[in-house]
Amino acid sequence: QLQLQESGPGLVKPSETVSLTCTVSGGSISRSSYHWGWIRQPPGKGLEWIGSMYYSGSTYYNPSLKSRVTISVDTSKNQFSLKLSSVTAAETAVYYCARALAVTRAFDIWGQGTMVTVSS
Amino acid sequence: DIQLTQSPSFLSASVGDRVTITCRASQGISSYLAWYQQKPGKAPKLLIYVASTLQSGVPSRFSGSGSGTEFTLTISSLQPEDFATYYCQQLNSYPRTFGGGTKVEIK
Repeated sequence: QLQLQESGPGLVKPSETVSLTCTVSGGSISRSSYHWGWIRQPPGKGLEWIGSMYYSGSTYYNPSLKSRVTISVDTSKNQFSLKLSSVTAAETAVYYCARALAVTRAFDIWGQGTMVTVSS
Repeated sequence: DIQLTQSPSFLSASVGDRVTITCRASQGISSYLAWYQQKPGKAPKLLIYVASTLQSGVPSRFSGSGSGTEFTLTISSLQPEDFATYYCQQLNSYPRTFGGGTKVEIK
């Protein structure tokens, strides 16, 4: 059964870059029938889509973050990653990685989430 | 960007109640809408996709309907494990957007 696990530093200073990795186990990341995404949730608030990446290499980002975000894949490690630069305290949140089936487009498998705190 | 407005943002209900949550899109999204359930400290769980298709393993008391700009999630008989926050998400276009959430609490 496919599982996703986020990893990365729990504390980042303002203006620095958040780098998170999502490790996919129980299946291959390199399937055209899937795409992969990052979603975040500030404490006590709702969900915000950050971006998605397709098997073809195409990426889509939230326009509010577009100039600061990069999603990439390492097929040799069965992982995909998120980099978000110049973060502020307002970006303190739980960051989730998730899989979507291309046919349904919905995120059907999620990681447990990782808390990232932006603070000096 | 397509905005999703959920209503109500909060509702108080009893076990056995029929509950309906509405999600309105700022423009037509065909049937590309999903519903998620989230419990405190947990990742969201997919309940319904393409507006009305039940995800595998989700109890049949959950149902979804709608197309275009107006969608509903219905729980036919609320169970204790259904007390949670529910989100809609549009999957018609990028950027993907979520509704603000509906918190369902015990009356």
